Amino acid sequence: DTEVTQTPKHLVMGMTNKKSLKCEQHMGHRAMYWYKQKAKKPPELMFVYSYEKLSINESVPSRFSPECPNSSLLNLHLHALQPEDSALYLCASSQEGRTYEQYFGPGTRLTVT
Amino acid sequence: QKEVEQNSGPLSVPEGAIASLNCTYSDRVSQSFFWYRQYSGKSPELIMFIYSNGDKEDGRFTAQLNKASQYVSLLIRDSQPSDSATYLCAVAEEAGTASKLTFGTGTRLQVTL
Repeated sequence: DTEVTQTPKHLVMGMTNKKSLKCEQHMGHRAMYWYKQKAKKPPELMFVYSYEKLSINESVPSRFSPECPNSSLLNLHLHALQPEDSALYLCASSQEGRTYEQYFGPGTRLTVT
Repeated sequence: QKEVEQNSGPLSVPEGAIASLNCTYSDRVSQSFFWYRQYSGKSPELIMFIYSNGDKEDGRFTAQLNKASQYVSLLIRDSQPSDSATYLCAVAEEAGTASKLTFGTGTRLQVTL
């Protein structure tokens, strides 16, 4: 298995909803990442997990809450989002010793209404 | 704050021609450079990486790095309509046992028939 999977592919949520995004990889990668990408902009790093521990939080608002239950799985919990949070949310992973080479999942297209 | 600069394009080349995509970066100590291809509505796909000065070839793609000039480029030979996409240049930095990627804004390539 050489891919990163993300579910759901699309998500529409209201500002009072709570939802979660899921990312999974079975490549044995020990670093996993969440990025946010707005239309016609490059991906922006949100969080980095290394060996299941949060190592980087790029000053992301607390309405986004990451979780890494095990080495293969990464979640992003969403609560009280704003319409400006609508974006493509990308998960990526990289392997030990080659952490620069990050491989992205297909993303979740999030719309906040 | 690292900066990665790319011409947003669009860069239009005829089918069969060589497409040349350029990128400059601000941090002189940067060591690792990446090219991602992103089709509209899809996630970024890693196509090339280069760590040493000079050229690196992989099929129709050649990455070129000049650290003295802080310049990295991507050449696509025999361009095909399927190469039409946005090409993102990225610079990596170590972040403990993971890494951080800083992306340029991307160059949109159009290969015309």
